Amino acid sequence: ETGVTQSPTHLIKTRGQQVTLRCSSQSGHNTVSWYQQALGQGPQFIFQYYREEENGRGNFPPRFSGLQFPNYSSELNVNALELDDSALYLCASSLAERRGYGYTFGSGTRLTVV
Amino acid sequence: DAKTTQPNSMESNEEEPVHLPCNHSTISGTDYIHWYRQLPSQGPEYVIHGLTSNVNNRMASLAIAEDRKSSTLILHRATLRDAAVYYCILISSNDYKLSFGAGTTVTVRA
Repeated sequence: ETGVTQSPTHLIKTRGQQVTLRCSSQSGHNTVSWYQQALGQGPQFIFQYYREEENGRGNFPPRFSGLQFPNYSSELNVNALELDDSALYLCASSLAERRGYGYTFGSGTRLTVV
Repeated sequence: DAKTTQPNSMESNEEEPVHLPCNHSTISGTDYIHWYRQLPSQGPEYVIHGLTSNVNNRMASLAIAEDRKSSTLILHRATLRDAAVYYCILISSNDYKLSFGAGTTVTVRA
């Protein structure tokens, strides 16, 4: 059973640029969600995808968008990067039927905006 | 989201039990109590969850107060690998997202 893999592990971007982060879900999982974790804080929910549709969103602006593909892999896109977007971005996969438990997280992508 | 309150940090000696408290006085009847932990440089990891009864698994035990307004995660014999931030999270049966607080940072002394 493979876990969740994220790429790249580290990334440096300039303010105003766009970035795409990628996630491969754990085998058998049909739901993927994304979280942002600022230094020293707990992860904050960005959004969740199920069957290639966004079915939940946290308090993040529209410049944060995502995709889920038929193989359940996913992308997080952030446009017009701001300095405050610097954070660890975590992807988590799960089964929709298992609400809240059994989430498998990746190790994250560390994004630095300069 | 119903809120939880946890101590900022706790220390333990290796091989000793660790009791991590969590207060959730506004918990509703449909809220499940979940625990995740985050080791350094890793994503969070599911530990355990419960509704009303105490729960045990290979990682830990979860003791839930009779009125469900508090719970305790018990690591029976702490190892150095248990040093992590532990998060107590409430999730209703209709919900799907994890609402993380600041968690409790557990330090294990050799």
